[in-house]
Amino acid sequence: NAGVTQTPKFRILKIGQSMTLQCTQDMNHNYMYWYRQDPGMGLKLIYYSVGAGITDKGEVPNGYNVSRSTTEDFPLRLELAAPSQTSVYFCASSYEIPVVGEQFFGPGTRLTVL
Amino acid sequence: DQQVKQNSPSLSVQEGRISILNCDYTNSMFDYFLWYKKYPAEGPTFLISISSIKDKNEDGRFTVFLNKSAKHLSLHIVPSQPGDSAVYFCAATSNAGGTSYGKLTFGQGTILTVHP
Repeated sequence: NAGVTQTPKFRILKIGQSMTLQCTQDMNHNYMYWYRQDPGMGLKLIYYSVGAGITDKGEVPNGYNVSRSTTEDFPLRLELAAPSQTSVYFCASSYEIPVVGEQFFGPGTRLTVL
Repeated sequence: DQQVKQNSPSLSVQEGRISILNCDYTNSMFDYFLWYKKYPAEGPTFLISISSIKDKNEDGRFTVFLNKSAKHLSLHIVPSQPGDSAVYFCAATSNAGGTSYGKLTFGQGTILTVHP
């Protein structure tokens, strides 16, 4: 099992550019999440999905979009990148409720917007 | 509005001694709490959790205590080892109504350094 994989590991964008952060999991989890972590801060939820075709906003969704066409993949799209989106992005997946909570995280994507 | 707070940005302890990491929360709807450990350039990994129906959960060297009336939880690591040096995040979720979908609210993290 590779677990949760994310690509790319690092990326530098110019203001106004767009990109897609890829996330794949091979654990057959229905629940998947995108978080961002700013320096000295905790992780904040951007979007989540409870299954293929079902997504919803988290705490900080502005400037991002997601899609979930398969159980395995949950890409995060940044449109019109802004310096405020400079952060480390983590994708995670978990088993369904009622087994709550333990989320398996990918290694992260470090994004810089200049 | 920070619903989960870790007020100590860092903690330094000697190898073999106890490490105590603290976490406070404000949302009374939180009923499940987790601790994650994070090494540099890696994603967080799950460490231990506790349900609000318990006040203590133990797993090897790691014990989490929950004080619901004070809205406070703590993670004890005994004995501490140099390999425990990492950032520790407290997280919380609410199962009320079955609609949390596992969404976690994280604290800011505490950097633990264990000196040999």
